[in-house]
Amino acid sequence: SAVISQKPSRDICQRGTSLTIQCQVDSQVTMMFWYRQQPGQSLTLIATANQGSEATYESGFVIDKFPISRPNLTFSTLTVSNMSPEDSSIYLCSVEDRAKPAPFGSGTRLTVV
Amino acid sequence: RKEVEQDPGPFNVPEGATVAFNCTYSNSASQSFFWYRQDCRKEPKLLMSVYSSGNEDGRFTAQLNRASQYISLLIRDSKLSDSATYLCVVGRGSTLGRLYFGRGTQLTVWP
Repeated sequence: SAVISQKPSRDICQRGTSLTIQCQVDSQVTMMFWYRQQPGQSLTLIATANQGSEATYESGFVIDKFPISRPNLTFSTLTVSNMSPEDSSIYLCSVEDRAKPAPFGSGTRLTVV
Repeated sequence: RKEVEQDPGPFNVPEGATVAFNCTYSNSASQSFFWYRQDCRKEPKLLMSVYSSGNEDGRFTAQLNRASQYISLLIRDSKLSDSATYLCVVGRGSTLGRLYFGRGTQLTVWP
């Protein structure tokens, strides 16, 4: 099973700033996924990141707010832009791993103050 | 209507008890179904996939009823280490990584 590393593991940020979260996989994968888990809620898919093309965003999420990069088959970044306290969440990266559902990275716990 | 609805819980059971979680999903075209487990302040981890024929993994049994759009998880002989939040998860289309998550059901097993 793929091993996923996420950085940073946590951060406290000022409102109005941006944070870029990195996701590294130990093997080449076609698809990478970014999820959000708001306090007391379950996970919600933000977008699917394919290498060599623009990310596909789910309803309610836009590229200006959550720009995503996917420069190669083992790496992706998610940026949370112009943050507000409502963006305080855990952000999780996952991958499609050989016809199995997604393992997850350990997540980035973001607090916006 | 939410894509995946789960028992709200919480469930508090003694060691050795049998506990069942239920879940319904709204999209009849869904093709893949899973139970994930999430420990406090940790990422979700796949517990088991759910197949139409039903499947078992040790003390855990999962059932799927496509006609009713209903998924269940049965845990027998509960252990203290089973305490966690159990997430009912449904796949979106053919891409296995694109998932709808239920809000989860919290289970506490007490000695």
